[in-house]
Amino acid sequence: GAVVSQHPSRVICKSGTSVKIECRSLDFQATTMFWYRQFPKQSLMLMATSNEGSKATYEQGVEKDKFLINHASLTLSTLTVTSAHPEDSSFYICSARGSREANEKLFFGSGTQLSVL
Amino acid sequence: GDSVTQMEGPVTLSEEAFLTINCTYTATGYPSLFWYVQYPGEGLQLLLKATKADDKGSNKGFEATYRKETTSFHLEKGSVQVSDSAVYFCALSGGQAGTALIFGKGTTLSVSS
Repeated sequence: GAVVSQHPSRVICKSGTSVKIECRSLDFQATTMFWYRQFPKQSLMLMATSNEGSKATYEQGVEKDKFLINHASLTLSTLTVTSAHPEDSSFYICSARGSREANEKLFFGSGTQLSVL
Repeated sequence: GDSVTQMEGPVTLSEEAFLTINCTYTATGYPSLFWYVQYPGEGLQLLLKATKADDKGSNKGFEATYRKETTSFHLEKGSVQVSDSAVYFCALSGGQAGTALIFGKGTTLSVSS
């Protein structure tokens, strides 16, 4: 079946640095990608929706200048957490929706655990 | 706004026990409903879904029925196995192209032999 590769799976960084998370669809073209974050024992909260070649749409309360999303191709989307702080520590998950040819199914990456010291 | 509420875990069962994980939703319109499963170290996988009232989704011995009158989509399995140990997420979608999923908090299931 379709696979979404998310990298890295775990990252530890110092406060003030930036971290980039990649999400790749390996065997299908992802017209839409979604980024979620999850705090312990909480729901996956949608952060933003991105369509290839256009600007991401951010959910209310998500700082677009802090969480930069780039969806430059049909197989790659990146989330960059800029000037990370301890409160940004969370589990980030991407998901990708295939084109109509792939019945617009939704596939998930395995997530990235970000720890900011 | 739309939301999903599922029972809190962890749920601990012995092998071959009956499983129920409750899920209720609040939504405008007629959403599609899903159960996703996340095995340790892996990404979320679609377990089953139902797109309209009274539909029953089923897969791998799990099933859930879309109940509009009670706004519920409870997950059941008659006889769980150790390999079913995972985190289960109930979710809904407005059904429109590009619409993101709204998830419940997840329920951890632990099955012992």
